[in-house]
Amino acid sequence: EPEVTQTPSHQVTQMGQEVILRCVPISNHLYFYWYRQILGQKVEFLVSFYNNEISEKSEIFDDQFSVERPDGSNFTLKIRSTKLEDSAMYFCASSRRDQPQHFGDGTRLSIL
Amino acid sequence: AQSVTQLDSQVPVFEEAPVELRCNYSSSVSVYLFWYVQYPNQGLQLLLKYLSGSTLVKGINGFEAEFNKSQTSFHLRKPSVHISDTAEYFCAVSESNSGYALNFGKGTSLLVTP
Repeated sequence: EPEVTQTPSHQVTQMGQEVILRCVPISNHLYFYWYRQILGQKVEFLVSFYNNEISEKSEIFDDQFSVERPDGSNFTLKIRSTKLEDSAMYFCASSRRDQPQHFGDGTRLSIL
Repeated sequence: AQSVTQLDSQVPVFEEAPVELRCNYSSSVSVYLFWYVQYPNQGLQLLLKYLSGSTLVKGINGFEAEFNKSQTSFHLRKPSVHISDTAEYFCAVSESNSGYALNFGKGTSLLVTP
């Protein structure tokens, strides 16, 4: 069964540095998402992406964050000037029209 | 605005016993409802979904859930649990089945012991 794949599985970054989290959605999916889960808290929506543009974003997704689909297969989340509170598990998801979202295994981001 | 409440943060249960994980939601519009499971060090896997039609929905691994509009609930049940069902379970709602944010509850940790 096709899967959403995320790399790396664990990313350690110094505070203030930029980080790019990568995702390969399922190939025939049209909608792409990023979520995050801070340790001990619930999964929170960050952004959804469709037809090469952001379709919805949460209050968390401020100017520090950006998303991009640089080619036909990858979907990236960039975090500029990382802060300690950006430490979390970041999940990518994708879906087809009228179908539920499929999630990757996540990238654990640790900011030092 | 939507909100999702999972009333139990942890549910311990013995193997082969029945279990119910509770989920209540609030929304001013019609919603779509989902249950996801997260095994240790893995992503979120869809257990089941309610989009429309029959209020009793069946999912994978023997789980089922019932949508109760008057109670605004979507409780997850399984008649007989296995050790392998030990995981974190998340209830989620969305205003649409496509391209919209999932709003998650805080999760319920199910611990099945022999």
